[in-house]
Amino acid sequence: DAGITQSPRYKITETGRQVTLMCHQTWSHSYMFWYRQDLGHGLRLIYYSAAADITDKGEVPDGYVVSRSKTENFPLTLESATRSQTSVYFCASSGVVGANYGYTFGSGTRLTVV
Amino acid sequence: AQSVAQPEDQVNVAEGNPLTVKCTYSVSGNPYLFWYVQYPNRGLQFLLKYITGDNLVKGSYGFEAEFNKSQTSFHLKKPSALVSDSALYFCAVRGLASGGSYIPTFGRGTSLIVHP
Repeated sequence: DAGITQSPRYKITETGRQVTLMCHQTWSHSYMFWYRQDLGHGLRLIYYSAAADITDKGEVPDGYVVSRSKTENFPLTLESATRSQTSVYFCASSGVVGANYGYTFGSGTRLTVV
Repeated sequence: AQSVAQPEDQVNVAEGNPLTVKCTYSVSGNPYLFWYVQYPNRGLQFLLKYITGDNLVKGSYGFEAEFNKSQTSFHLKKPSALVSDSALYFCAVRGLASGGSYIPTFGRGTSLIVHP
């Protein structure tokens, strides 16, 4: 989706390695979110941020770290990757939450931990 | 805490027939409700939302959704299905998180398959 980009698109990493998934949005949206998508579980919220330097845990935060030093960037770091973290990760953003067009999603990062 | 239930993992419909994808929700306060569609290897795309007003909401690609407060439902509908509508559909509700922010909670998704 134009305006919110995720990188890399695909990533293969080894168990125990640190890996960072990047998310960048160009709308100056205040809210940003990280979800993981797994078969049978739908979308589960990992972390979210209401503004720069404000982050909070979602449903499944264990093993993940986020930061938001700038409004437009919201990187997600897996400190020591495990196979259970193999998933598709989506970043999303929103301005005034629930208004206008809701939440805008990136194209996702498919992460495989071997 | 808010929650969303999509009771059907998969919905099958013939092209040209009407379709319904079901969603029920639970949330404190006034519900903000959304439907999203996901095509293979793509991110989620916004279809429509309900915040206030008419119970029948019209959205993209000919989809509409009916809000029913008494049944806490927000079913997605389309009068005439197309093969190209085949995709994964997610219902979401916005609710208040413990930290004081409003965040969306998504259902598990329903795979819609439209047969030619």
